[in-house]
Amino acid sequence: DIQMTQSPSSVSASVGDRVIITCRASQGLNKWVAWYQQKPGEAPRLLIYGTSSLQSGVPSRFSGSGSGTDFTLTISSLQPEDFATYYCQQAHNFPIFTFGPGTKVDIK
Amino acid sequence: QVTLMESGPVLVKPTETLTLTCTVSGFSLSNAKMGVSWIRQPPGRALEWLAHIFSNDVKSYSTSLASRLTISKDSSKSQVVLALTNVDPMDTATYYCARISDCSRTSCITAAFDYWGRGTLVSVSS
Repeated sequence: DIQMTQSPSSVSASVGDRVIITCRASQGLNKWVAWYQQKPGEAPRLLIYGTSSLQSGVPSRFSGSGSGTDFTLTISSLQPEDFATYYCQQAHNFPIFTFGPGTKVDIK
Repeated sequence: QVTLMESGPVLVKPTETLTLTCTVSGFSLSNAKMGVSWIRQPPGRALEWLAHIFSNDVKSYSTSLASRLTISKDSSKSQVVLALTNVDPMDTATYYCARISDCSRTSCITAAFDYWGRGTLVSVSS
């Protein structure tokens, strides 16, 4: 099975900061990498699919990139509503899906 | 409007079988490339994918839980059912169903879960 790690596991940041979250896989992945945002008590929300495509309705301050084993989610200017936990997800071994362990973004 | 809603017991005893239902609306489970997964999240922990069912009734399972899981669907009722046998307190979690709208059995466009239910919390305790 492909193992996923995320770094950092948590980050404290201020409004307006640029935040970069990395997802690393134990082997090279195809383009089917997605990112989700989850706030306490809520279901996850799709932000990015296909490594870098922005889901409809998601603010443009979110962006994704990467290839091979390393993928990143960037929040260009953190907003108050962005404090949440972020998960990457891969489907390289489709139809098996795997989520990363999550990165918590909280207020500095 | 696409919605998914999970339902099932709040409390299950160890060794019993947990059965959860996901009722969907706004799309058809029979439409090609539509599929539904079950995903769970223990309290304070990460998301864990469990199982997926495709529109043509093909199924896939988490390798670590495959022996205990069964996923099925009734397209006429717009429902996807998950059964987890021999539950243990470690199975205590919020269980979500989520949709993928662009995967056939062999390929996807995005392979991403675009709509999720609100989740149902299931506790396993005697």
